[in-house]
Amino acid sequence: DAEITQSPRHKITETGRQVTLACHQTWNHNNMFWYRQDLGHGLRLIHYSYGVQDTNKGEVSDGYSVSRSNTEDLPLTLESAASSQTSVYFCASSEPGTGQETQYFGPGTRLLVL
Amino acid sequence: AQSVTQLDSQVPVFEEAPVELRCNYSSSVSVYLFWYVQYPNQGLQLLLKYLSGSTLVKGINGFEAEFNKSQTSFHLRKPSVHISDTAEYFCAVSKSGGSYIPTFGRGTSLIVHP
Repeated sequence: DAEITQSPRHKITETGRQVTLACHQTWNHNNMFWYRQDLGHGLRLIHYSYGVQDTNKGEVSDGYSVSRSNTEDLPLTLESAASSQTSVYFCASSEPGTGQETQYFGPGTRLLVL
Repeated sequence: AQSVTQLDSQVPVFEEAPVELRCNYSSSVSVYLFWYVQYPNQGLQLLLKYLSGSTLVKGINGFEAEFNKSQTSFHLRKPSVHISDTAEYFCAVSKSGGSYIPTFGRGTSLIVHP
């Protein structure tokens, strides 16, 4: 079955370190997204991509970057981790063409920045 | 731009009782509407969606929602809840025929008591 996976599932890091969160999907979806989930804020969009070599900033992109070198992967990099980036991060993808509007989510990565 | 308001942050209910989770949206254009569910320590999954046509939408696990354009609402209902329905529920809106990037509400925690 097609799926979307994230790794690691849990990560503890220190302020100032660079951190990369992986997202891999086997749906063959063109669209991929990164969100962060914080209590009281719901889901907020960090970055998104409509296809290989395409990346776009979302609502809360400062301090984050992504790259899309193939269809399956959209890694999220925290350039210099800050305590304010402690959060749960979700990757999602959506289907091109009809049904494009439904997003499929990964299980999440819980990040703690000390 | 679209916005979503989930009117209740937490809804406690007894098992086998009916429940309604409220969602209001604002948009200057036609929209698609969604309800997603997040079980503990998992990613989000689609419960149901409204794209067009019948305003009463049926989803998985016995949930349904009604699109009310005049009141800009998309409330989620279930006639009889089960303990396993305990989860976080997110309402989302996206511009129809657009980029399919949804805006999420802050979530409603449904707590079902025995």
